[in-house]
Amino acid sequence: QKEVEQNSGPLSVPEGAIASLNCTYSDRGSQSFFWYRQYSGKSPELIMFIYSNGDKEDGRFTAQLNKASQYVSLLIRDSQPSDSATYLCAAPTSTKFYFGSGTKLNVKP
Amino acid sequence: DTGVSQNPRHKITKRGQNVTFRCDPISEHNRLYWYRQTLGQGPEFLTYFQNEAQLEKSRLLSDRFSAERPKGSFSTLEIQRTEQGDSAMYLCASSLWSGENTEAFFGQGTRLTVV
Repeated sequence: QKEVEQNSGPLSVPEGAIASLNCTYSDRGSQSFFWYRQYSGKSPELIMFIYSNGDKEDGRFTAQLNKASQYVSLLIRDSQPSDSATYLCAAPTSTKFYFGSGTKLNVKP
Repeated sequence: DTGVSQNPRHKITKRGQNVTFRCDPISEHNRLYWYRQTLGQGPEFLTYFQNEAQLEKSRLLSDRFSAERPKGSFSTLEIQRTEQGDSAMYLCASSLWSGENTEAFFGQGTRLTVV
């Protein structure tokens, strides 16, 4: 059984700041992680995934994975009000995704 | 590619009634998943299909729940004798499975309210 833990927030940051979203996991066998964004009342949409230790950058988003500490994070640079949403961390297996409860991000203009 | 389509988008039903939801995955996707999401929680796995075969069911899927994917295309999720605790967003996702790093694409969900 995989456990994926996230702080539910809300995390409030001012527009233009860096938002840092964190996720911890219990299964040392987990090899990769997905970050999904979910706007209120909408379905999750993929932002990025990471499977190697270190950083992976995609535009304003950077995912960081530290397998030794069982910790994965998502940094959003130059945060915009349109980034306000719930961010879900997910650990995949061969049959399913295990999702965290999500962190709600509020970006204030 | 029109994405994953779910119908209906909203369903209000009286306790004890049966409801059925439909999911049309992205064409050619071989995997189809059903998840349930309640307010403030992440999606919880219910079941998945590889083509037409239902290969895994969660303990959350009581005997009141049944899912099918005839011919490996669309899928239906039926809940019999609904209870208030069944109120949730039911999400369908599909993928063209090629390993654990395969992205799953979600539909817009069916929001069920049991009154």
